[in-house]
Amino acid sequence: TQLLEQSPQFLSIQEGENLTVYCNSSSVFSSLQWYRQEPGEGPVLLVTVVTGGEVKKLKRLTFQFGDARKDSSLHITAAQTGDTGLYLCAGARHSGAGSYQLTFGKGTKLSVIP
Amino acid sequence: DTAVSQTPKYLVTQMGNDKSIKCEQNLGHDTMYWYKQDSKKFLKIMFSYNNKELIINETVPNRFSPKSPDKAHLNLHINSLELGDSAVYFCASSQVVWGASGVHNEQFFGPGTRLTVL
Repeated sequence: TQLLEQSPQFLSIQEGENLTVYCNSSSVFSSLQWYRQEPGEGPVLLVTVVTGGEVKKLKRLTFQFGDARKDSSLHITAAQTGDTGLYLCAGARHSGAGSYQLTFGKGTKLSVIP
Repeated sequence: DTAVSQTPKYLVTQMGNDKSIKCEQNLGHDTMYWYKQDSKKFLKIMFSYNNKELIINETVPNRFSPKSPDKAHLNLHINSLELGDSAVYFCASSQVVWGASGVHNEQFFGPGTRLTVL
């Protein structure tokens, strides 16, 4: 089983602060995805990174895929209360018949305090 | 329009009962999944179907039986429910897209079914 270690598990910060969430594995993935989940809802995709060393920006969120495609990070600049939620990283690997299996990290529960 | 829908949203039942959860997607995707999210929010794959064929079957008790009547539907039937089955079950669908930068496989999740076994 390929494991994704996500850290920290919990993060509580003041509005305006910066933060970084890490996702690490000993295995190589075809791609890595970051999802955000609100209470009572399913996860929603934020970004997919595919190429080693790739950096993608989504407004105040910056996602990076490690050179070896084993790890990733999510950096949020000037956090806002609307960023509060559960952030999940997921590594994709081919599972046959044109489908890809996602292995999820255990999530980072972010609370941004006003 | 709802992309991935699940019914019911909440399910409360007694130990030993049999129950089903239904899932439908209107995205035209070829692949559908069932995930289990436990109380610690860990999301784990249970099954995956591609064009009605079982692709992934993780270590799940055989009390759980998925059924895909067509590629837009993937239902989950659970026999002899146990306390440990209490969790939120998510259905998802995806379509692999090959782009210039590589393979993209965004998964679209349903709203979840919260199962409570008493």
